[in-house]
Amino acid sequence: AQRVTQPEKLLSVFKGAPVELKCNYSYSGSPELFWYVQYSRQRLQLLLRHISRESIKGFTADLNKGETSFHLKKPFAQEEDSAMYYCALIAQGAQKLVFGQGTRLTINP
Amino acid sequence: DTAVSQTPKYLVTQMGNDKSIKCEQNLGHDTMYWYKQDSKKFLKIMFSYNNKELIINETVPNRFSPKSPDKAHLNLHINSLELGDSAVYFCASSRQERNTIYFGEGSWLTVV
Repeated sequence: AQRVTQPEKLLSVFKGAPVELKCNYSYSGSPELFWYVQYSRQRLQLLLRHISRESIKGFTADLNKGETSFHLKKPFAQEEDSAMYYCALIAQGAQKLVFGQGTRLTINP
Repeated sequence: DTAVSQTPKYLVTQMGNDKSIKCEQNLGHDTMYWYKQDSKKFLKIMFSYNNKELIINETVPNRFSPKSPDKAHLNLHINSLELGDSAVYFCASSRQERNTIYFGEGSWLTVV
């Protein structure tokens, strides 16, 4: 069974500081990994997916198969980045998105 | 131009009642889902339908019955509501051959 672990339930950093939200997964095949963001009382939105290798809103994430990680990073946090962040995985051939527990990121002014 | 829309957004109801949440997507996607986000913000899939056929049912009590009249709609009917059903329910959809899932705004269900 696939599992996604986000070890930090809460993360608080100051504006302008670097941010790293951790995500580890367990899956024996080749997963497809995503980061979703949920701003206060809004829908979940796709932030980025590993196959596109793009940077969205200054965030990047690199899939590290050796460490089975897909950490989300941003060099300089902004107040508008405060939100709930979910790491998610889809197994090969599957259509079920498995979510981590989520990390609530708070950017302090 | 809302992609995935669900109604109602907020629903407060008494225990034992039966209620429905409707979902529609205008993205032309083949697959639709219901996810539940509990009070601890855990997100878990409940159901998935592909072209009106049920493909995922994640051990959800049979008080929950999804209905897909066509591939653009997936409604969730809940019988005999219980306090523990209080949560945010998210509808979502995706194209079959691509894995990006698009979510609705959520329906906040409170059972009192």
